[in-house]
Amino acid sequence: NAGVMQNPRHLVRRRGQEARLRCSPMKGHSHVYWYRQLPEEGLKFMVYLQKENIIDESGMPKERFSAEFPKEGPSILRIQQVVRGDSAAYFCASSPSRDTQYFGPGTRLTVL
Amino acid sequence: GQQLNQSPQSMFIQEGEDVSMNCTSSSIFNTWLWYKQDPGEGPVLLIALYKAGELTSNGRLTAQFGITRKDSFLNISASIPSDVGIYFCAGLNYGGSQGNLIFGKGTKLSVKP
Repeated sequence: NAGVMQNPRHLVRRRGQEARLRCSPMKGHSHVYWYRQLPEEGLKFMVYLQKENIIDESGMPKERFSAEFPKEGPSILRIQQVVRGDSAAYFCASSPSRDTQYFGPGTRLTVL
Repeated sequence: GQQLNQSPQSMFIQEGEDVSMNCTSSSIFNTWLWYKQDPGEGPVLLIALYKAGELTSNGRLTAQFGITRKDSFLNISASIPSDVGIYFCAGLNYGGSQGNLIFGKGTKLSVKP
């Protein structure tokens, strides 16, 4: 059973561009979570989705950030008009229910 | 919001020694999870604890869910060089729209051969 897949692993963007991060959950998992990690810090929750629905987006900035988990295909975290402060590692996790979460390898976003 | 205090922040130990780290919170959790993260990788689940007082082992790792539901500890026995990494505790409450993990800031473990 393949683990959580994320791509790209590394993403470089210039200020003002858009960043799209993709996450494919483990087979059979319908709950997806996105977290952000700054250097030397723990992970901070951003958004929780279940197929086609956003359940909790309390950790996601209201401007420029959006997330979706369509019926078919991966979950997408989109950051519009990126700024230097968006540089971080973004992790996706999945779970079969609201329980133990399994993490992907992350996408390291660098904004120049 | 909820916060986890994880200690120690870092540890330098000799190969073969035992390690102990813990997490405390001002609020209760339904589930405690322990993860290990290597540089450039995502957190890997080590142990999951679902019931207050539960003591669970995974090889050389042992973790306990505190009876008050506000704390947890992780022990590593007979450490080896590949134990090097950052260990995170995480608490989970699920109810209503909740389901997100609250993470500690991590314990960085260094092992001298």
